[in-house]
Amino acid sequence: EPEVTQTPSHQVTQMGQEVILRCVPISNHLYFYWYRQILGQKVEFLVSFYNNEISEKSEIFDDQFSVERPDGSNFTLKIRSTKLEDSAMYFCASSESEVANEKLFFGSGTQLSVL
Amino acid sequence: AQKVTQAQTEISVVEKEDVTLDCVYETRDTTYYLFWYKQPPSGELVFLIRRNSFDEQNEISGRYSWNFQKSTSSFNFTITASQVVDSAVYFCALKAAGNKLTFGGGTRVLVKP
Repeated sequence: EPEVTQTPSHQVTQMGQEVILRCVPISNHLYFYWYRQILGQKVEFLVSFYNNEISEKSEIFDDQFSVERPDGSNFTLKIRSTKLEDSAMYFCASSESEVANEKLFFGSGTQLSVL
Repeated sequence: AQKVTQAQTEISVVEKEDVTLDCVYETRDTTYYLFWYKQPPSGELVFLIRRNSFDEQNEISGRYSWNFQKSTSSFNFTITASQVVDSAVYFCALKAAGNKLTFGGGTRVLVKP
């Protein structure tokens, strides 16, 4: 079965540094998402992306965050200047359409640790 | 705003026992969709089932079944004859207006041999 792949699986960075989390969505999918899960807390929506534009974002997704689809296969999440509270598991997801009952396929996540 | 509550944080059972996971949701939208996802120890989120707000028919799919009751805003999920491989965190999620999933806090299921 096709899958969403995320790299790296773990990322350790110093506070204030920039990080880029990478994702390769399923090849025929058109809608892409980032979610995060702070340890012991809920999985939270960050942003959705379609046709090279952000279609929806949450309050968490402030100016420190950006997303990009630099080529036909990758989808990245950049955190410009990391804070301690950015430490979390970040999940990339993709879906074939935006139909409301469409299921999302999630990657295995990138565990980001900000020291 | 949408909200999903999973009151059970952890459930421990012995293999072959049934496990029922509770989920209660809140939304003002009349059209919405409910999902269950599984997060095994490897970390990924795996889609299990989905239901739309117009269809309260409960179904069984293999060892999985669900009980959707609109009157009580509940979408409970049952694993029949649990196996050790069912050990995971299970998330209930809601999608209403917009394209984002709102997740519950998750229920950790531990199936002991």
